[in-house]
Amino acid sequence: GQNIDQPTEMTATEGAIVQINCTYQTSGFNGLFWYQQHAGEAPTFLSYNVLDGLEEKGRFSSFLSRSKGYSYLLLKELQMKDSASYLCAVRDKGGKLIFGQGTELSVKP
Amino acid sequence: GAVVSQHPSRVICKSGTSVKIECRSLDFQATTMFWYRQFPKKSLMLMATSNEGSKATYEQGVEKDKFLINHASLTLSTLTVTSAHPEDSSFYICSARDQGARNEQYFGPGTRLTVT
Repeated sequence: GQNIDQPTEMTATEGAIVQINCTYQTSGFNGLFWYQQHAGEAPTFLSYNVLDGLEEKGRFSSFLSRSKGYSYLLLKELQMKDSASYLCAVRDKGGKLIFGQGTELSVKP
Repeated sequence: GAVVSQHPSRVICKSGTSVKIECRSLDFQATTMFWYRQFPKKSLMLMATSNEGSKATYEQGVEKDKFLINHASLTLSTLTVTSAHPEDSSFYICSARDQGARNEQYFGPGTRLTVT
């Protein structure tokens, strides 16, 4: 079966660093994506990992370990506008993007 | 990144009527588009995969006669909710895969459907 787990909600302080974890079990693996979604809006692409290791893009980094079925999204120098839902998604062998339930991040002053 | 548009952004319709939602990839060709549904504070649920020039592939539990999908060109897919009921009220989001850009998948802005 398909199973993608991430924490339901997290709280962090402005200027701090936060790590959002994601574990997955899917029928095949063809890449892992992180998206940001603000309330009432569509998801926006943040990162894509298909090989093990860390991908860095500005304040955001994403890590993947395929053997452990594990990824994390790291957000540095948090800003108030980073308050949003963060979605972990895995593309399975069939090419479908399967989403986790999302992590609601609240950034406090 | 690439741009995907959706129209309309909001629609209110009466029970029993049909509503068509359009999804367009504006600056790339998409042989595959996806339709998702999202309930408040929930994640995206894949409804169907739309392939250009062929029939859509529906996920288990999604009624193909109720949610008609057409992918007539490389830049346009449509979702028609037929004989809508209040329980069909939801946020519908389309997505298109850019096969020329590491297979990244871009999302449209979504359509808020309210059935009264």
